[in-house]
Amino acid sequence: SAVISQKPSRDICQRGTSLTIQCQVDSQVTMMFWYRQQPGQSLTLIATANQGSEATYESGFVIDKFPISRPNLTFSTLTVSNMSPEDSSIYLCSVDARTGSSYEQYFGPGTRLTVT
Amino acid sequence: ILNVEQSPQSLHVQEGDSTNFTCSFPSSNFYALHWYRWETAKSPEALFVMTLNGDEKKKGRISATLNTKEGYSYLYIKGSQPEDSATYLCARKGTNAGKSTFGDGTTLTVKP
Repeated sequence: SAVISQKPSRDICQRGTSLTIQCQVDSQVTMMFWYRQQPGQSLTLIATANQGSEATYESGFVIDKFPISRPNLTFSTLTVSNMSPEDSSIYLCSVDARTGSSYEQYFGPGTRLTVT
Repeated sequence: ILNVEQSPQSLHVQEGDSTNFTCSFPSSNFYALHWYRWETAKSPEALFVMTLNGDEKKKGRISATLNTKEGYSYLYIKGSQPEDSATYLCARKGTNAGKSTFGDGTTLTVKP
């Protein structure tokens, strides 16, 4: 299993500013995932962060808007840059961890971002 | 089906009622189907991981079935309790390792 913490848990930010979200895992993992859930929508994968290489972004997401760091196997950050109200979402980090003979996906508690 | 679809979008039941939700997904290049329960202000909690056609999993009053050939999974809750109130998400993992596609979720409200 994996226990994931995120900081901050919530924030209210002004348009045009940037926010960096931190994700800490209690065990070493190869891949960490960043998701967002906009109001009324499903969880959408933003990018996959591998330690030692650049993050892989999904269609519709770019590094300039969502830069990601992955300095070691237990930590990652996601920055939401030049924010607009459309960035108001819940942002979650996630990892796959072995549970018995299979892998399960574990999530952090999320960061609730409101952009005014 | 190109995306992961869940129905109904929301459900209101009385305490003690049994209920079920549906998750439909692309059946090609299938690797695994996950069910999660997501309560407000908490992390999504993994309920089940299913990989084989015909899989059935059970945890207490909650159970799930999987049909990979036709691309659907059912989640059943027997004798719903108010503490079952949450959003239930399904996620399909394809053969691209690590990537999951989520449905929009079914939000269950159980009234005492």
